[in-house]
Amino acid sequence: DAGVIQSPRHEVTEMGQEVTLRCKPISGHNSLFWYRQTMMRGLELLIYFNNNVPIDDSGMPEDRFSAKMPNASFSTLKIQPSEPRDSAVYFCASSLLQGARTEAFFGQGTRLTVV
Amino acid sequence: GESVGLHLPTLSVQEGDNSIINCAYSNSASDYFIWYKQESGKGPQFIIDIRSNMDKRQGQRVTVLLNKTVKHLSLQIAATQPGDSAVYFCAENPPGYQLIWGAGTKLIIKP
Repeated sequence: DAGVIQSPRHEVTEMGQEVTLRCKPISGHNSLFWYRQTMMRGLELLIYFNNNVPIDDSGMPEDRFSAKMPNASFSTLKIQPSEPRDSAVYFCASSLLQGARTEAFFGQGTRLTVV
Repeated sequence: GESVGLHLPTLSVQEGDNSIINCAYSNSASDYFIWYKQESGKGPQFIIDIRSNMDKRQGQRVTVLLNKTVKHLSLQIAATQPGDSAVYFCAENPPGYQLIWGAGTKLIIKP
């Protein structure tokens, strides 16, 4: 398996533009996590899906952020409109069992820069 | 204005020596703990986990120790190699909640 695949690897966009980050989890995994990592705040969980259903989105910073998982092999994280403070590395991770009580496999991340 | 980032604790270790990375966790109800390694430009990678019914767990060149009395977790790396250079995160999991991640410790290997 190629692991968790995220695209794009790097994204530079202007403030106010819509940004869509994509993730393909490991085949057979039933949990998917979106994380954001910054120097200021470290690694933050944004949202967590189990069997394609959002379970916990309490980490989503505000209404500008939305995430979907239309099927077991694809998820998106959208920011609309984007702001410079959204600049960060966004990671997607997947795991086989429900919740966090098992090994999660992370993608390479998307480095987002909003100018 | 100038932004202030997290000041990551840094541990410098001579190549070949053993490394011990410490972590204090916050929730006494946490019963599952994980160590992750993050190399520059990559996502975190699982190293080893331990459940609260154990005090020690060993993997390949790594050992995790859990002291529930003082809410302390440590990761020991034997015979540290240049490839061990990374930021190491501990994470705790209280039942019913998602992982709580530590700030990370940067491990530097001196030749």
